[in-house]
Amino acid sequence: AQSVAQPEDQVNVAEGNPLTVKCTYSVSGNPYLFWYVQYPNRGLQFLLKYITGDNLVKGSYGFEAEFNKSQTSFHLKKPSALVSDSALYFCAVSTGGATNKLIFGTGTLLAVQP
Amino acid sequence: AAGVIQSPRHLIKEKRETATLKCYPIPRHDTVYWYQQGPGQDPQFLISFYEKMQSDKGSIPDRFSAQQFSDYHSELNMSSLELGDSALYFCASSLNFLATDTQYFGPGTRLTVL
Repeated sequence: AQSVAQPEDQVNVAEGNPLTVKCTYSVSGNPYLFWYVQYPNRGLQFLLKYITGDNLVKGSYGFEAEFNKSQTSFHLKKPSALVSDSALYFCAVSTGGATNKLIFGTGTLLAVQP
Repeated sequence: AAGVIQSPRHLIKEKRETATLKCYPIPRHDTVYWYQQGPGQDPQFLISFYEKMQSDKGSIPDRFSAQQFSDYHSELNMSSLELGDSALYFCASSLNFLATDTQYFGPGTRLTVL
């Protein structure tokens, strides 16, 4: 069965510092991995995805993610955090095959202090 | 750019009442997904449609039903509402029914059952 894990409920970082939000996955077959961000009382906004190719994926708002097959990880990164990046971040995997539902991790709350 | 539209944005119902949630996908998107997000939880897949046919079903109660219409909009019908149905309900759409396709989420409908 496909699954993703986000080991940290919350990540705290100072504005201007680099940030990392961790995600590990477990899939059978090719992993199709996604990152979404959710602001309070808002929908999920797509940030980036890994399908194939380069292990470093660049996305919206300066975010990027590194796919590591040997460590089965897909960590979200940003070189310099902004206070406005404070939100809930979800890693997800697409199940593929006859169904393409997304299976989400439990989410990581990112808090960027000024 | 056009986004996924959901209506209503907020809905308050009494126990045992019925509710209908509507979703209008991004133009030319033929696949619609419904997810339920309980308080402090990650989104859980309910049901999906591709080209007006149900493509997959998740942990959706028998009290819930859904369909996709000829114009590709979708409706989630919920009957005999229970307190536990209180949640944020998201609709997402994608261009095709492919595991690699990005699912774009609407702003959600917040359902409160009293």
